[in-house]
Amino acid sequence: GESVGLHLPTLSVQEGDNSIINCAYSNSASDYFIWYKQESGKGPQFIIDIRSNMDKRQGQRVTVLLNKTVKHLSLQIAATQPGDSAVYFCPRGSARQLTFGSGTQLTVLP
Amino acid sequence: ETGVTQTPRHLVMGMTNKKSLKCEQHLGHNAMYWYKQSAKKPLELMFVYSLEERVENNSVPSRFSPECPNSSHLFLHLHTLQPEDSALYLCASSQVSDSTDTQYFGPGTRLTVL
Repeated sequence: GESVGLHLPTLSVQEGDNSIINCAYSNSASDYFIWYKQESGKGPQFIIDIRSNMDKRQGQRVTVLLNKTVKHLSLQIAATQPGDSAVYFCPRGSARQLTFGSGTQLTVLP
Repeated sequence: ETGVTQTPRHLVMGMTNKKSLKCEQHLGHNAMYWYKQSAKKPLELMFVYSLEERVENNSVPSRFSPECPNSSHLFLHLHTLQPEDSALYLCASSQVSDSTDTQYFGPGTRLTVL
């Protein structure tokens, strides 16, 4: 079957360190990839997206890398802050369809 | 977070009640979505409306009935629910002509069925 973003379920990082959250996929027929952050008790919040014809995209404190050769996607967060603690999802998108996996819980340690 | 609003934020209902969830988007989008998020499970797409027409229905039980009166409002009517329907119900909207069709989510309604 098709993978929709396989994650490690948990990741703990020290405040101030950089975080790298990884995502793998098995089917290349996708227009774009999106990273969402979901804090406890809230809906998913859009962070950044990347089209399938790109390798890298940068935002504020975040960078997304797409390696189509190994079908791997990563989200890098610079200088991780307590407010970054959340579940991170990388659903794949194509024509109104977003298919979510189970996400990675990022915990920022003081 | 104010781009997509949902009411109520919390709802407790019995199995024989009828209630409705409301979603409103202030982003000028032309597509709206209902998702269900249960504990320990990925988000499940329930319904998609594009240009106020339902275009997706992922085999959701008939006790859930969506309504999209215009491009800014979306309802989910609930009746005769089961305890296993307790979950976080999320609304989202997007602009389907946008190159990435990014969906923006509301805060959700936490539903408990007794």
